[in-house]
Amino acid sequence: GDSVTQMEGPVTLSEEAFLTINCTYTATGYPSLFWYVQYPGEGLQLLLKATKADDKGSNKGFEATYRKETTSFHLEKGSVQVSDSAVYFCALRREGAQKLVFGQGTRLTINP
Amino acid sequence: KAGVTQTPRYLIKTRGQQVTLSCSPISGHRSVSWYQQTPGQGLQFLFEYFSETQRNKGNFPGRFSGRQFSNSRSEMNVSTLELGDSALYLCASSLVGGDYEQYFGPGTRLTVT
Repeated sequence: GDSVTQMEGPVTLSEEAFLTINCTYTATGYPSLFWYVQYPGEGLQLLLKATKADDKGSNKGFEATYRKETTSFHLEKGSVQVSDSAVYFCALRREGAQKLVFGQGTRLTINP
Repeated sequence: KAGVTQTPRYLIKTRGQQVTLSCSPISGHRSVSWYQQTPGQGLQFLFEYFSETQRNKGNFPGRFSGRQFSNSRSEMNVSTLELGDSALYLCASSLVGGDYEQYFGPGTRLTVT
């Protein structure tokens, strides 16, 4: 079945550091890929998405590129801020479906 | 536009009891999905409703059920609660027919004692 694997956390960085959170997936066909963020006590917010190979999703300085050849969708940010501290989830959704399949989440803490 | 609302936000129940959680989608959204979030299992899909019909169901026992009303509001019910049902239950709504984003509510935190 479909699955998503994220790098294990927690990840702790200093402010202005470069961030990479790895995400790989297993799925048939051409799923859409997503990164969601969850702040303490809140639900999930869509951070960015990509719907086809080589698409780059970007938002708030975060980027991720849909790489079909490596089945990956790694999240990157050039300079993190304390306010980026949260749990990040990589997810996929099959074409035509509503169901999201999530990775296990990566807790990110940014120290000033 | 108001977001997805879920009630109650927090709930404490005893083993063996049943519970009903409610979700009101964003106005105009007709698809509602439910997810369970636990530290051990992460985020898992429960079911999806569209136009009062269940379109997809995750791998959960029959104690977990749901329904959707004509105004798109949805409820999920868990009967004969077990300690392992303690979780954050998230509801998401979206438009259908295309590549539409799912918007999540803040969740209901259920604790079973």
